[in-house]
Amino acid sequence: GAGVSQSPRYKVAKRGQDVALRCDPISGHVSLFWYQQALGQGPEFLTYFQNEAQLDKSGLPSDRFFAERPEGSVSTLKIQRTQQEDSAVYLCASSLQSRERAFFGQGTRLTVV
Amino acid sequence: RKEVEQDPGPFNVPEGATVAFNCTYSNSASQSFFWYRQDCRKEPKLLMSVYSSGNEDGRFTAQLNRASQYISLLIRDSKLSDSATYLCVVIRWAAGNKLTFGGGTRVLVKP
Repeated sequence: GAGVSQSPRYKVAKRGQDVALRCDPISGHVSLFWYQQALGQGPEFLTYFQNEAQLDKSGLPSDRFFAERPEGSVSTLKIQRTQQEDSAVYLCASSLQSRERAFFGQGTRLTVV
Repeated sequence: RKEVEQDPGPFNVPEGATVAFNCTYSNSASQSFFWYRQDCRKEPKLLMSVYSSGNEDGRFTAQLNRASQYISLLIRDSKLSDSATYLCVVIRWAAGNKLTFGGGTRVLVKP
C-alpha cells in the first residue's frame, strides 16, 4: 500500500472489554513498531517486530497487552480487559530496515469508558 | 530521568522570525537521531535526519553535539504552517533499534 494503514481509526470500549487494533505496514517493510501516545505526550514504545519475530516487548505495560505479526506483514495489538488508563492513541510504524526512517500510520484512538 | 528530554514549550514565534530548540539524550551510546513533526491529532512525520556534521534542509537546520549529548533544530523565516509539535527521536542500535521519542516541543507561529 501507499502508507501504513491502521484500523479502526476510533474505538470506544467499555471497561473490561477486549479490543484488537490492526496495522498494515508498507509492503516490504521488515521492521514494525507499536507506540502508545497519551494526550500532550510523546509516543511511548510498546513493542517491535522484525518480520514475524517479536524482538522487543519491553514497553508493553502489562500482561493484558499482546501483539503478534504471524506472517511478517499485518500486525495486531490486542488489549484484554481494557482499563480507563489504556485510553490513548496507538500508533503503528514500519521501516524498510531497522535503524532507518520509520513511517507512521494515522493511529487508532482508543477511549475506554 | 527520561532517556530523551525536550522543553515542551510552547515557543510563540512571530512569523518570519527564527526559533531554535534542543533535545537532550541521556545515553551516550545513542547512534541515530531524527526530528519528526506532529500536527494536532495527526501521526508523526519525519522532518529530517540529524547527521554528525549537521545538516540543512531549506529553512531547517539540525545539529548534533555528541560531547554534550544534545541535538538541536533551528527554523528560519518561520511560516504559519510551521506550527506543530516537534519530536526528537533517538535510536540506540544496541537497544534493539526502537525509536525513543522525547515529549515534543510545541511551536506556535503567529502573524
